[in-house]
This record gives sequence, C-alpha cells and structure tokens, in this order.
Amino acid sequence: TQLLEQSPQFLSIQEGENLTVYCNSSSVFSSLQWYRQEPGEGPVLLVTVVTGGEVKKLKRLTFQFGDARKDSSLHITAAQTGDTGLYLCAGARGSGTYKYIFGTGTRLKVLA
Amino acid sequence: DAGVIQSPRHEVTEMGQEVTLRCKPISGHNSLFWYRQTMMRGLELLIYFNNNVPIDDSGMPEDRFSAKMPNASFSTLKIQPSEPRDSAVYFCASSSSENQPQHFGDGTRLSIL
Repeated sequence: TQLLEQSPQFLSIQEGENLTVYCNSSSVFSSLQWYRQEPGEGPVLLVTVVTGGEVKKLKRLTFQFGDARKDSSLHITAAQTGDTGLYLCAGARGSGTYKYIFGTGTRLKVLA
Repeated sequence: DAGVIQSPRHEVTEMGQEVTLRCKPISGHNSLFWYRQTMMRGLELLIYFNNNVPIDDSGMPEDRFSAKMPNASFSTLKIQPSEPRDSAVYFCASSSSENQPQHFGDGTRLSIL
C-alpha cells in the first residue's frame, strides 16, 4: 500500500509555463518534505513543512501543506529547463522522527 | 566539503554472488541511513544507525541483507546471496542528528543478472 500518492506521474511542459504537482494521502503527517532528484544523483531536500496550511517559497517554487496535514502541493512559476527532475514528497508520521515515507514521485521535463 | 560518498557507483553481478556496498558519511554526522529505490516501490528506508549503532532495521527485506557501521566514517550494506529482485539503486544518507535534514549520496546502481 502506497501511503503517499503523487500526481501526475509524468509531466512535460515548455519553458515559461506554470505547473503544480500534488502529494496526497489518507494519513496525517507531522511534517512533509519535498526533494528534487536529478538522474544519477541522490535526492536533494528542497523544503520541510510542519504546520497545517503552511506556505513556503523558494524562488519560483511555492510549497503548501494542506490544512489537515494529509496533502501538499508544489507550484513552479515560469518553469526553466533546470527544473527538470524527479520531485519526491516524503511524510513523517511522528514528531521529531527520522522515518519519512516517500512517494514514487513526479518526473518533470521542461523543454526549451 | 565532501558530501556522502558511495562506492561502487555501478555493480553488475550474477545471482548468488555476494555484493557489498560502501558508504562514507559526511564528517561529523552521527546518523546514517540506507535506502533502496525502485520504480515500483519508490524510495524505502532499509536501516538507520545512530552513533554507529543500528537503531531501526525494520526495513531490511530479509536475512540475506545485512549492514554494519564499524566506525563513524564507514558503513557497508551486504547482500548474500544476491537475487535478481535485489536490482535497484541503493542510497546512503547522513545527517548531523536524527531529526536534521538528510544528505544523500549519489547511489549505487545494482543489477543482479
């Protein structure tokens, strides 16, 4: 059973377009992380959200944690080719835990 | 500063052979994690060490898998005997403490024929 469902699985867009990817669960998480992974490399942490309804911005990336802490979204404004990669969300079930459950990811390709 | 270093980057071997994957965590980090990534199951935590002691090995698939951390700067993940279904990318990650952000290595791509 996959606790974290990410959608879409694949996304191909033109440079300059906006996009949103989603991370959904029926479980409540104490915190949620977003990672970006490039081919041949390990995941790199982008952000951690811990409060229901929390919004965090990282340049052109906007992350939101759902009010009920069961879901999250990542919005990218004016996508660039450098945004290409696999975006993973990961949720923690207990407070202060190391044990994050990862979704299977959204594979994004931004075309020039 | 050097990040988490894993070796080898790629390993291809026949089923039944012993496979040893190696990891050097970031200096000063006392938490170390081994993960496995596949298309079907995504990224799964196999085992977690804190101060060189295994704390949680509930993700280790079966007895064929074992992990050690003889000192703060080195860890191994061993599969013996290996099977084709063990084919995956294996990542090592470290963090300064249990609840701090994890830094991942670039992984070992393992193919068991």
